[in-house]
Amino acid sequence: EAGVAQSPRYKIIEKRQSVAFWCNPISGHATLYWYQQILGQGPKLLIQFQNNGVVDDSQLPKDRFSAERLKGVDSTLKIQPAKLEDSAVYLCASSLTSASTDTQYFGPGTRLTVL
Amino acid sequence: EDQVTQSPEALRLQEGESSSLNCSYTVSGLRGLFWYRQDPGKGPEFLFTLYSAGEEKEKERLKATLTKKESFLHITAPKPEDSATYLCAVQITGRRALTFGSGTRLQVQP
Repeated sequence: EAGVAQSPRYKIIEKRQSVAFWCNPISGHATLYWYQQILGQGPKLLIQFQNNGVVDDSQLPKDRFSAERLKGVDSTLKIQPAKLEDSAVYLCASSLTSASTDTQYFGPGTRLTVL
Repeated sequence: EDQVTQSPEALRLQEGESSSLNCSYTVSGLRGLFWYRQDPGKGPEFLFTLYSAGEEKEKERLKATLTKKESFLHITAPKPEDSATYLCAVQITGRRALTFGSGTRLQVQP
């Protein structure tokens, strides 16, 4: 079974530029998450989708971050404009979210460096 | 506020030297506690889920336990390939997203 796919794996941009990340979850997984992991810290939730609807975006900096999940499969996370403090690894995760299991499976992440 | 604290931040062991990693939590209502392993440059890899106090789960050299306030990840006779960052996360009742601790960086020397 294929895992969670993310691209690109690495991105370097100047501050105030825009950037987008793509995620393809495990087939059949209805729930998709975007997490931000700053070096030396654990992942922090940015946004959670159930199918193509937003369930939790309380920690998403909405003045610069946006995300969408069209057709309830792939998702895109965008940052516009980027700040130095956005340098981090952006992790996508998906889960089946049935009554008996909620295990989240993570992709390899996209490492963003903002100069 | 829900909090997850992991200790120690870093741990260096000799091959074969058993030890335990700690994850203490303060949450409004625990639905589940998750352990993940993260290798450099990779995403977290799922290890265990624990749902109730007293529950234990094992996988190879790893055993996870859960009490009402903390979880332990016991590593028995570790090998160099066990070197990684181990992350603990909690799932709060009514919320599916995970709240992570900062992790324990484990290094096992041959």
